[in-house]
Amino acid sequence: GAVVSQHPSWVICKSGTSVKIECRSLDFQATTMFWYRQFPKQSLMLMATSNEGSKATYEQGVEKDKFLINHASLTLSTLTVTSAHPEDSSFYICSALRVGRGWRTGTRDTQYFGPGTRLTVL
Amino acid sequence: LAKTTQPISMDSYEGQEVNITCSHNNIATNDYITWYQQFPSQGPRFIIQGYKTKVTNEVASLFIPADRKSSTLSLPRVSLSDTAVYYCLVGDINSYDKVIFGPGTSLSVIP
Repeated sequence: GAVVSQHPSWVICKSGTSVKIECRSLDFQATTMFWYRQFPKQSLMLMATSNEGSKATYEQGVEKDKFLINHASLTLSTLTVTSAHPEDSSFYICSALRVGRGWRTGTRDTQYFGPGTRLTVL
Repeated sequence: LAKTTQPISMDSYEGQEVNITCSHNNIATNDYITWYQQFPSQGPRFIIQGYKTKVTNEVASLFIPADRKSSTLSLPRVSLSDTAVYYCLVGDINSYDKVIFGPGTSLSVIP
């Protein structure tokens, strides 16, 4: 259980084009999803928190008009990189938050991650 | 958000037990400890999660002392395929709060 998929797994595009990345929770519903970016040999950097039915919350330094996030359903969030440039080339990873049953039963909210999308902008 | 500190890298020979310790001196009462594993060009994979004492599953054990200011991920008899980056995360069980990834521990398993 707790499978998260991403599509596409890799994409190459020309500078100035827009790219959409999908993140799906396959066997659970996720009110909250997160988008991360990871550069080579670095840790994951949180870009934004996506909440179903409301606007995403962006981390400081992340341009919301460049990285459009839409969380239209409880199983799908999309990240659109608009007018992509070579410096946007990175590994983009989403995660979906599966709600736990609380500390009394020993389970908590846990993030499950997608396999990532490699974006290369030429 | 409790800050965590881990060794940047570790080496181990195949077949050995590997223990990776994470310090989290400012852990809060409601915080759980979660470990993830990440291979190159893949998303992090959930390994284990715990609140106190010891938790064991089919891939690892997690030891948490009474003061909860640190935790140790134990990987029994590692193989080459365990070469990865391991992240220790601490967060509030009742919160949808974001988690912040530290640099993690890069484990290299040597034949």
